[in-house]
Amino acid sequence: KAGVTQTPRYLIKTRGQQVTLSCSPISGHRSVSWYQQTPGQGLQFLFEYFSETQRNKGNFPGRFSGRQFSNSRSEMNVSTLELGDSALYLCASSFDRGGGTEAFFGQGTRLTVV
Amino acid sequence: QQQVKQSPQSLIVQKGGISIINCAYENTAFDYFPWYQQFPGKGPALLIAIRPDVSEKKEGRFTISFNKSAKQFSLHIMDSQPGDSATYFCAASSETGNQFYFGTGTSLTVIP
Repeated sequence: KAGVTQTPRYLIKTRGQQVTLSCSPISGHRSVSWYQQTPGQGLQFLFEYFSETQRNKGNFPGRFSGRQFSNSRSEMNVSTLELGDSALYLCASSFDRGGGTEAFFGQGTRLTVV
Repeated sequence: QQQVKQSPQSLIVQKGGISIINCAYENTAFDYFPWYQQFPGKGPALLIAIRPDVSEKKEGRFTISFNKSAKQFSLHIMDSQPGDSATYFCAASSETGNQFYFGTGTSLTVIP
């Protein structure tokens, strides 16, 4: 069974640009969550999608957005990039919604903003 | 406010020794407590998880101890090996919630 696939693995963007990251969950999983990981703040919740609907959103500015497609694949978008957006962005896949179910992470996308 | 507090920040253990990482939480609505292992350049990998209806869960060399009254849980790695050197994160979530709250991580180094 294939794991969670995130693309691309690495990105370098210039301040002010926008970026789109992609996540393909484990086959059959319907919930996709996104987290930002930085050395200073650790793992912070961005948002969760289930059946193409955003169910919950973390404390991030509106520049961070996402969506989920009918095949459960998800994308997150960051507009007007800032230097502080440099981080490892992780996608987690779960069979069902709700925090009480097992979540499996992808390898992440390392975003560097210069 | 940190929902889950993790300690220690770093840990050095001799090969064959026991590694112990502790976490504490405040929200009594939390009812699922996983531990993740992360190697450099990789995403966190689910290691073991526990629900509050049991006080201990063991999988191979990894054991979670859970103390509901103290709102604490810990990861014990028995017979620690150099290959266990990684960063470990505890986390907590609730059945009705949609997110995990992670501890700040423990960097474990196992010396041969």
